[in-house]
Amino acid sequence: QSALTQPASVSGSPGQSITIFCTGTSSDVGGYNYVSWYLQHPDKAPKLMIYDVTNRPSGVSNRFSGSKSGNTASLTISGLQAEDEANYYCSSYTSSGTLVFGGGTKLSVL
Amino acid sequence: QVQLQESGPGLVKPSETLSLTCAVSGGSINSSNWWSWVRQPPGKGLEWIGEIYPSGNTNYKPSLKSRVSMSVDRSKNQFSLKLTSVTAADTAVYYCARASVGSFYMDVWGKGTTVTVSS
Repeated sequence: QSALTQPASVSGSPGQSITIFCTGTSSDVGGYNYVSWYLQHPDKAPKLMIYDVTNRPSGVSNRFSGSKSGNTASLTISGLQAEDEANYYCSSYTSSGTLVFGGGTKLSVL
Repeated sequence: QVQLQESGPGLVKPSETLSLTCAVSGGSINSSNWWSWVRQPPGKGLEWIGEIYPSGNTNYKPSLKSRVSMSVDRSKNQFSLKLTSVTAADTAVYYCARASVGSFYMDVWGKGTTVTVSS
């Protein structure tokens, strides 16, 4: 059970859009529509932002959207704001009946 | 709404057992949810440890399975994690979280508790 692959960092300017990719295998990301995304500010608990690939929990801004193609899922944040600066983690259900996280991506808003 | 609060020793000696509890408030632990543990070593990413259903069914991360056990205490509305034979690599912030039945994401999280393994 290897961790999903995410870029270590991404950056963007306020108002721009960015996309974070999360690559797995056919045994996790590619095999199920159970990818979720979490935002984590320093020294805070993770917060659910996207579940089941594309769904947003109540209260999460529609600037956040998710998608998937093959073994790669993606999180897009449009209209970047300073408060979006955080670490983002993807997660997927696996064929072993477990969950696996990505290594995390640090988003910097320049 | 449901809130979770982790508790337990902040310092554990190498080779000993790490024991943590997660208190559930604002809801019943008997509800249709899986109760999970996730940890985060200093400066590193999130790691799923496992989950338990109120009936006692469990799922554990394969690489930790030999050292992990989870339990539910319905009378106290809480669930627990035990990790045996700890080493410095088990030093982390430990979070408890909730995942609804039929879902594979965690929508409610505790604030986390730091556990350091050191002699």
